[in-house]
Amino acid sequence: GDQVEQSPSALSLHEGTDSALRCNFTTTMRSVQWFRQNSRGSLISLFYLASGTKENGRLKSAFDSKERRYSTLHIRDAQLEDSGTYFCAAEAGGSNAKLTFGKGTKLSVKS
Amino acid sequence: EAAVTQSPRSKVAVTGGKVTLSCHQTNNHDYMYWYRQDTGHGLRLIHYSYVADSTEKGDIPDGYKASRPSQENFSLILELASLSQTAVYFCASSDASGNTLYFGEGSRLIVV
Repeated sequence: GDQVEQSPSALSLHEGTDSALRCNFTTTMRSVQWFRQNSRGSLISLFYLASGTKENGRLKSAFDSKERRYSTLHIRDAQLEDSGTYFCAAEAGGSNAKLTFGKGTKLSVKS
Repeated sequence: EAAVTQSPRSKVAVTGGKVTLSCHQTNNHDYMYWYRQDTGHGLRLIHYSYVADSTEKGDIPDGYKASRPSQENFSLILELASLSQTAVYFCASSDASGNTLYFGEGSRLIVV
């Protein structure tokens, strides 16, 4: 099965609302990254976390520091420009230094 | 100014032909990666490299070769393109294993 499972696969929000995206890992991960892909296909890094939480404007991400098996991305006061596909990617660490991506959450923000 | 640039941005290739996708980074990063994106699969790692003149297999290397002639350049080579290799290909770099990835704009390949 997939090592990185994202949920939900799609999400529709009204402007001004809050929501959370989630990534579950089937094994302990060393770090997690979150990306947004816009309508033109460009991938932008949002957060890199090895533990704890990070916040940037209306976005906040957390990585379960205890068991290291899930991460969340919170979107506060959603805006139209937040629309896109959000990917999480995790690294297991050790000799396996590769990132494994989830299949993404397609977010649509509507007025 | 884009730090990871890919070329070509779009290409149509014939089955059995050779395709080379090029990637150039100005981030001074040691690590470079090639991913492919297909609908419903997210991004999957094809090959990566952590130093010039050395490449490593990713999760789906079959049908692909990679070349890292210098720190700045990383190429993906399809010796015999097949229909199943139609996808969008992304190059990325990072300063250390797994640290923040910086992606290129993607190369859309259609094999006919």
